[in-house]
Parts: sequence; structure tokens; C-alpha cells
Amino acid sequence: KAGVTQTPRYLIKTRGQQVTLSCSPISGHRSVSWYQQTPGQGLQFLFEYFSETQRNKGNFPGRFSGRQFSNSRSEMNVSTLELGDSALYLCASTRGPGSYNEQFFGPGTRLTVL
Amino acid sequence: TQLLEQSPQFLSIQEGENLTVYCNSSSVFSSLQWYRQEPGEGPVLLVTVVTGGEVKKLKRLTFQFGDARKDSSLHITAAQPGDTGLYLCAGALDFGNEKLTFGTGTRLTIIP
Repeated sequence: KAGVTQTPRYLIKTRGQQVTLSCSPISGHRSVSWYQQTPGQGLQFLFEYFSETQRNKGNFPGRFSGRQFSNSRSEMNVSTLELGDSALYLCASTRGPGSYNEQFFGPGTRLTVL
Repeated sequence: TQLLEQSPQFLSIQEGENLTVYCNSSSVFSSLQWYRQEPGEGPVLLVTVVTGGEVKKLKRLTFQFGDARKDSSLHITAAQPGDTGLYLCAGALDFGNEKLTFGTGTRLTIIP
């Protein structure tokens, strides 16, 4: 069974631009979560989608948004990029409620904002 | 305030030694997970513990969930270079809405 895939793997943007990251979950997994990982803050939860609905949201500004499609694939968007948005963005999928939310992570997208 | 504190933050030991990593909180968790992350990759789930006092073993790794479900430990016996990585604990506060909170992480280096 294929794992979680994320595209692109690496991205370089400049301040003020916007970016869209993509995630394809494991087949049969209906929940997708997004995390931001930085050396200073560790792994921070962004949001979770289940059946195309945002189920949980972390403490990030409105510049960070996401969506989930009917095939469970998900995208996240960051608008008006800031230098502090440079991070590894991780996507994880789970089977859904009742599975203890065991996360299966993708390799991440390394975003650098210049 | 970090909900889940891990200690130590960094640990570097010789191959063959034993070590313990701790994950502590003042909150009660319905379940707790441990992950290992290697450079350039996403975290990989090692174990999930759900019952207070539960002990699970995975080869040379032993995981324990505290009786009050507020803390957990990971013990590695006879560490090997392949154990090197970032170890993360993650807790879910509510069963049924299992939003995970990740710990601060322990970066482990095993020296051959």
C-alpha cells in the first residue's frame, strides 16, 4: 500500500507570495492533518480535515488555510508569506475516528521564504 | 506553555548503553503515541498506549504509560546507531476527537 505523498518536496518563495502544498493520503484513509515543524517550535498542528470538512484547527493566522477533496486528497495554502513561515510542512493521514488518530506522515514539503 | 514536555531535549550516548526518554504533562490523555523521525523524513509511529500503567515492548524499546495517564517513558536497551533520530511523544486529550498535541522532542544520537 502506497504511503502518504506530498508535493512538492522543496519550495523557495519570497515574502508576500502565496503557496499551495498538496497531500495524497494512504488509500482508504479519510482524515488528513497538516503540521508545521520548525527547530524552535517543534511540531505544531495546523488543521485536520475529515470527509471534506475541517474538524480541528490549530492556533495559526488566517493566512493558513486548507481544503479536502472528495477523494480525500488535501491541499493547504499560505498567503502573504512571511520569513517565519519557513518550515517543514508535514501532512499525515489516519483511518478516521476511533483509530486513536494514529498518524501516518508523508516526507514533508520544505518551504523556504526569502 | 507546552502541553507535553520531553526530557532530555538532547541525548548522545555510546552504542550498547541503555537510555530512558520522558514525556510529561499536567493533563490527562486518552491515548499517547511515540514517533521517531529521521532527517529528511516524516515521523513514523512506533506505538500507541491507551491504558494507565500499560507497558508495551517493541524489540529493544519499552514504552510505559503512567498510571494517571499524564506521562509516558521510552526505554531503549543496548542502543544501536540505527536508533538515532528525533523521538516525539503525542497525546490525544479526548477520545473521539483525537486532535494530537506533540511533545517538544528528544534528539537522540548513538555513537558507534
